[in-house]
Amino acid sequence: QQQVKQSPQSLIVQKGGISIINCAYENTAFDYFPWYQQFPGKGPALLIAIRPDVSEKKEGRFTISFNKSAKQFSLHIMDSQPGDSATYFCAASKAGGTSYGKLTFGQGTILTVHP
Amino acid sequence: GAVVSQHPSRVICKSGTSVKIECRSLDFQATTMFWYRQFPKQSLMLMATSNEGSKATYEQGVEKDKFLINHASLTLSTLTVTSAHPEDSSFYICSAWDRGGYTFGSGTRLTVV
Repeated sequence: QQQVKQSPQSLIVQKGGISIINCAYENTAFDYFPWYQQFPGKGPALLIAIRPDVSEKKEGRFTISFNKSAKQFSLHIMDSQPGDSATYFCAASKAGGTSYGKLTFGQGTILTVHP
Repeated sequence: GAVVSQHPSRVICKSGTSVKIECRSLDFQATTMFWYRQFPKQSLMLMATSNEGSKATYEQGVEKDKFLINHASLTLSTLTVTSAHPEDSSFYICSAWDRGGYTFGSGTRLTVV
């Protein structure tokens, strides 16, 4: 019940195209859903995050769509650029007291944007 | 924003020796620090959760005597890999929760030869 399933495993997109990565979760207690970008040899960096009280959040070229009833959320990268080529992870966690508990990560998606 | 400083960024050690990895929260107090391990082309796997002033909580299958975690202050948590072996070679990453979300260290590439 703690799993977060992510797809696709890899994605190739042309420059200017839209990249879409999907995640599904089981634990309905999760209430924080972030997306991270990771470059080789670096730690993950937060891209955008959403909480279940909204269905969509947009920050620049990045949009999270959230479907609470389906227990799914997705990342859309508009106007994809070669610099976006990286590994993307979805994750989920739940609040515990005044802080948040451990993150459960998806399996990751290797995005390649061709020029 | 919140910053977690992790050192060293990479280390090579001989089999049987111990290696210490440090994570410092620079501009916030990290009551809880999470330690992850990541193998090539794989996701991050949580190893343990450390709370300031108390014993760490280890995930199932993680040897607590091999991976010693100390969280003696609100700004410093350390992971010591004891008696390291080649199979311990991996990318180790720490993370802490600040008001804006989780902040990750830059990771430590450990190679045991």
